[in-house]
Order: sequence, then C-alpha cells, then structure tokens
Amino acid sequence: GAGVSQSPSNKVTEKGKDVELRCDPISGHTALYWYRQSLGQGLEFLIYFQGNSAPDKSGLPSDRFSAERTGGSVSTLTIQRTQQEDSAVYLCASSPIVLFFSGANVLTFGAGSRLTVL
Amino acid sequence: DAKTTQPTSMDCAEGRAANLPCNHSTISGNEYVYWYRQIHSQGPQYIIHGLKNNETNEMASLIITEDRKSSTLILPHATLRDTAVYYCIVRVAGFGNEKLTFGTGTRLTIIP
Repeated sequence: GAGVSQSPSNKVTEKGKDVELRCDPISGHTALYWYRQSLGQGLEFLIYFQGNSAPDKSGLPSDRFSAERTGGSVSTLTIQRTQQEDSAVYLCASSPIVLFFSGANVLTFGAGSRLTVL
Repeated sequence: DAKTTQPTSMDCAEGRAANLPCNHSTISGNEYVYWYRQIHSQGPQYIIHGLKNNETNEMASLIITEDRKSSTLILPHATLRDTAVYYCIVRVAGFGNEKLTFGTGTRLTIIP
C-alpha cells in the first residue's frame, strides 16, 4: 500500500478484556516496529520484526503483551487482560531492508491506534 | 547508542528560519544523526539524516559540526504547519534494520 495502515483507529474497552491491534506495513518493507505513546509522553519501543529473524521483544512491558507477524507482512499486537495503564496510542512503523553500512534506517509510521481502557 | 540533548521547547516566527539544536557529544564514528517530527495526533515523520556532511532536502537542512558532537536542523521558512515535536536521534548504521529510540524532543511552536 501507499503507507502504513493501522486498525482500528480508536478502541475503547473495559478493563480485563483482550484487544487486538492490526498493522499493515508498506509492501516490500522487511522490518516492522511497534511503539506506544502514552498521553503527553515520548515514544516507547515495544517490539521489532526483521524478516524471518526472531523478533526483538525487549520493549514489551509485560507478558500480557504479544505480537506476531504472519507471512512477513501484516502484524497483530495483542494485549490480554487490559489495564487502565495500557491506555495509549499504539504506533506501527515499517522500513525497507538496510544493507550493511549502506545508509540509514528510515521508518515510516502509521497514524496509530488509540486505545482507551475504562 | 549515543545520547542526545535537545531544548524542551522553542518558538519561531512564521516565515523565519527555525534552527533546532541537538547535542550528541558521545557520538561514535559510525553513528548517523536522524531527525523526525511528530505533528499533533499523527505518527512521527522522517525529516532528514546525515553522517558527516551537511545535508539538504525539500523539507530541511542538517548542519553537523566538524567534530560531530552537535547538529542543527534548519527549517528555512517556517510555516504554522511546522508546529510539532522534533526528535533528534543518533543510531549506528549496521547490518539490517534496527529500532530507533526516541527521546522527549523539542516542542517547536510557530508563531503567526
């Protein structure tokens, strides 16, 4: 597609429910990233997928958070048993492959999914 | 990754050049300087990047000091739409794609 597409754009859920957020990266981009941004805060890295390599999950805040990327394209971020502190905008980004020392890694972000946990 | 230091906020008059500084005194030789910005309620947007030389594109210019310990992003003729949070990030360029770590950035307000 022309850009990174995220859905839903807004999600309101009750505490304790599970939610799934979807990201459709730019066609051909091999890397996919999830970040979150709480109100008035900076971007917090969550997870990163690169091709067929094992994902970098170092930013996931707890085991209630998981993500998968099927077929090297679409990714789903799942939050189980949501808590009020999970309320944030969840941002997805993708980037093309970067060859060894050939240049910088430029990320293209989607518009985000705003999650509100009541 | 080298840490970066940016002013918390800045104002600039519409039509003037906006100069946003970034300090990265611990940068190493193979680390790029990236600039992104985030307009309210949108995802971050890539602006420009550089390694050693000054760079210019349709959005901005990036001036990197000779010792590479600091840089300045220049928006030559600021408009109201340039009001955003601007992030300066330093990251090594190696094999493959790697995550970028965003700090708190500089909140730039363009004044009519």
